[in-house]
Amino acid sequence: TQLLEQSPQFLSIQEGENLTVYCNSSSVFSSLQWYRQEPGEGPVLLVTVVTGGEVKKLKRLTFQFGDARKDSSLHITAAQPGDTGLYLCAGFGNEKLTFGTGTRLTIIP
Amino acid sequence: KAGVTQTPRYLIKTRGQQVTLSCSPISGHRSVSWYQQTPGQGLQFLFEYFSETQRNKGNFPGRFSGRQFSNSRSEMNVSTLELGDSALYLCASSTMTVSSGNTIYFGEGSWLTVV
Repeated sequence: TQLLEQSPQFLSIQEGENLTVYCNSSSVFSSLQWYRQEPGEGPVLLVTVVTGGEVKKLKRLTFQFGDARKDSSLHITAAQPGDTGLYLCAGFGNEKLTFGTGTRLTIIP
Repeated sequence: KAGVTQTPRYLIKTRGQQVTLSCSPISGHRSVSWYQQTPGQGLQFLFEYFSETQRNKGNFPGRFSGRQFSNSRSEMNVSTLELGDSALYLCASSTMTVSSGNTIYFGEGSWLTVV
């Protein structure tokens, strides 16, 4: 069974601060995705990383895929209240998508 | 274009009953996958259908079943409901199978409460 552990589980920080969320597994994934889910809605895809060591930037968000394709990180610079939500990583393997345990992020104005 | 539509949005059932949830994918999408989301277990894969065939199945008991129709609409059924089945059930659609790596689009989900 492929498992994806995210840390921290909860994170509450002040607007303007930086933060990093981690997604770790003992399994290798062919690619990894990050989603954000807001209350009452389904997850929305933010990014897909495919190559080990790959770094992708989406405005203030930076995503990195580990060299061994077992882990990933999401870094947010100068967090804003609009970044509040549940962040989920998800790995492709065995023809299905396995989701991480989730990080609930709250940005305090 | 219209997104993934799930019905009903909210429902309450009694232990032992059964429930059927419906999912209408984005037009042109042939893959529909279902997920269960709970605070304790997170988001877990139930099954995926593509062109009316079940492609993959997660680790859920046989009480959980699904099907897909020729118009790609999908239903999932849970029989003999248990309290632990209370969850948000999410449906996602994609043009090709999930394993192809295409983007999947989620609906807003169906909130099921079992009492």
